[in-house]
Amino acid sequence: KAGVTQTPRYLIKTRGQQVTLSCSPISGHRSVSWYQQTPGQGLQFLFEYFSETQRNKGNFPGRFSGRQFSNSRSEMNVSTLELGDSALYLCASSLGQGEGKGTYEQYFGPGTRLTVT
Amino acid sequence: GEDVEQSLFLSVREGDSSVINCTYTDSSSTYLYWYKQEPGAGLQLLTYIFSNMDMKQDQRLTVLLNKKDKHLSLRIADTQTGDSAIYFCAEGSGGSYIPTFGRGTSLIVHP
Repeated sequence: KAGVTQTPRYLIKTRGQQVTLSCSPISGHRSVSWYQQTPGQGLQFLFEYFSETQRNKGNFPGRFSGRQFSNSRSEMNVSTLELGDSALYLCASSLGQGEGKGTYEQYFGPGTRLTVT
Repeated sequence: GEDVEQSLFLSVREGDSSVINCTYTDSSSTYLYWYKQEPGAGLQLLTYIFSNMDMKQDQRLTVLLNKKDKHLSLRIADTQTGDSAIYFCAEGSGGSYIPTFGRGTSLIVHP
């Protein structure tokens, strides 16, 4: 079974620009979560999509948005980039339903390293 | 909100055992997980334990759960330099379907 893939792996953008990151989940997984990881703040939850709907949301400004397509692939968009948005953005997929261990068990992609200059 | 706490660093000598500790606050936690993150990579699921278990062993890994104290630990036997990584504890509960992660413990293994 193929793992979670994220594209691109690396990005360099300038302040004020916008960026779109892509994530393809494991086949059969309907939940996709996005996280921002920085040395200072650790792993922070951005949002989660399940069946094309945003089901959970973290505490990030509206510049951070996402969407999920009918094939469960997800995109994340950051508008008006700031220097502080430089981070590793991780995508994770899971079943997102049911009651077994798989409900919360997340499988992560390799991440997209975003650098804002 | 619910919280998961871990110490930030642990340093051990190669061949020794490592014990990484985690505490959580949600008494309704049903599943608890350990993830490993190597430099420049995503998180890799290592193992999990169900809340009605006290212990789970998987090769060099032993997970201990003290549900009364809400304390979880990961023991790595015969620690190798390849075990150097950040280890995250996570707990899953309730209807949000999203686990809560700790900040991660950076394990440094000295030759």
